[in-house]
Formats: sequence, C-alpha cells, structure tokens
Amino acid sequence: AQSVTQLGSHVSVSEGALVLLRCNYSSSVPPYLFWYVQYPNQGLQLLLKYTTGATLVKGINGFEAEFKKSETSFHLTKPSAHMSDAAEYFCAVSSPLFTGGGNKLTFGTGTQLKVEL
Amino acid sequence: NAGVTQTPKFRVLKTGQSMTLLCAQDMNHEYMYWYRQDPGMGLRLIHYSVGEGTTAKGEVPDGYNVSRLKKQNFLLGLESAAPSQTSVYFCASSGTGSNQPQHFGDGTRLSIL
Repeated sequence: AQSVTQLGSHVSVSEGALVLLRCNYSSSVPPYLFWYVQYPNQGLQLLLKYTTGATLVKGINGFEAEFKKSETSFHLTKPSAHMSDAAEYFCAVSSPLFTGGGNKLTFGTGTQLKVEL
Repeated sequence: NAGVTQTPKFRVLKTGQSMTLLCAQDMNHEYMYWYRQDPGMGLRLIHYSVGEGTTAKGEVPDGYNVSRLKKQNFLLGLESAAPSQTSVYFCASSGTGSNQPQHFGDGTRLSIL
C-alpha cells in the first residue's frame, strides 16, 4: 500500500522568504507524485507532477519540487513567498502498477501555508 | 473552459433525506472520481469510474451510490443522509494512465442536520 506524510499541518513564512513544504511517501515501486493547491472555497489545482525523467520539476506560480528516491521525499519549494501563495497544499502519490484502471491517488493530510507581511 | 462542474454548490439536508450530486466534465476523460474532504484528513476516495457504465468502490464507499450513464457525467447519491456525511464533496476526472493528473471541480458543501 502507498501512503503520503506531510510534515507540518500549518507553516507560516514572511513575504519574500523561502517556502518549504515537506512530503514523504511510501511505495513499493517508484511512484508518480503530485502537488496540488487549494484556495479557500475552491477545488484542487495541479501545481506540478513528477512521473519520469528529470527529478527537479517546475510548476506554476514559481513552485518547484525535487524527487529524491533515496529519501522517499518530494518537498515543495518556492524561493520567495507572496501573499497570494496563502492556501492549503496537498501532496499525492499514484502507483504506476495499478492495473485495475483509473488513477487512484493517495493524498496527504495537507499543509496550510500562511504568508505574513 | 468549464472543465469539471459540480452542482449544487451548497446543500443542507435533514437526516434520512436523499439527494444526488451531479458532476459533469467536458474534457472527454475516461476516468471520474468522487472524494470527500474532512478537516485534517485530506481527500478520501468514495467511488470511481473507469468508463461509461462502470463504477467501483473506493476507500469510503458506505452510504453512497454512484452511476455513470454518460461518459461526461458522474452522479453521487445519498439514499438516507446521516450527520457523518456532512463534508465537502469533490468530483475529479482524468485521462487514462496513472501518470495523468486529476482535474477537480469546485466542490459541494453538504450539511446534514
């Protein structure tokens, strides 16, 4: 079975500071990994994904994440936080060996990012 | 670009009432999903469909039924609503393959009194 752990349910940073949101996964095979963002009263929006190839993945709004197999991690970073980045962020994993059809994602419990002036 | 559209956006029910949530997607996706989101628990898969006329149980299927009569629509039904079903419900769709991202609707906020 696959699982996702997001360390820190709430993270607070100053505007202009580095954003680091942590995600560790458990999977018996190399997984497909996703980061989603959820703004208040909205659905989830894809930030970026890792499937194969380059382990440093760039996404929308200046975010990027690095897949580190040895550490089973997929942490999300942004060099300089903006007030508009305040939202909840979800890491998710999908196993490429799922043969029953569909893309069954397992989500972490989310990290609420607060950006302060 | 409508993407994934959910109706209604809000609903309040009394215990024991029934209702149907509608999800429509215009991206010609084969796969569709229903999730519920509860504080501190992330999203949990209720039911999913890998094509028109097919459905399957997810992680938390009890108390819910689904139907996929048309490729673009995926309906979630509550036959006898219970307070434990108070939640925010999200529909999503994706292309085939585990590397395809899911596209989400804006959710339905459901309260059961």
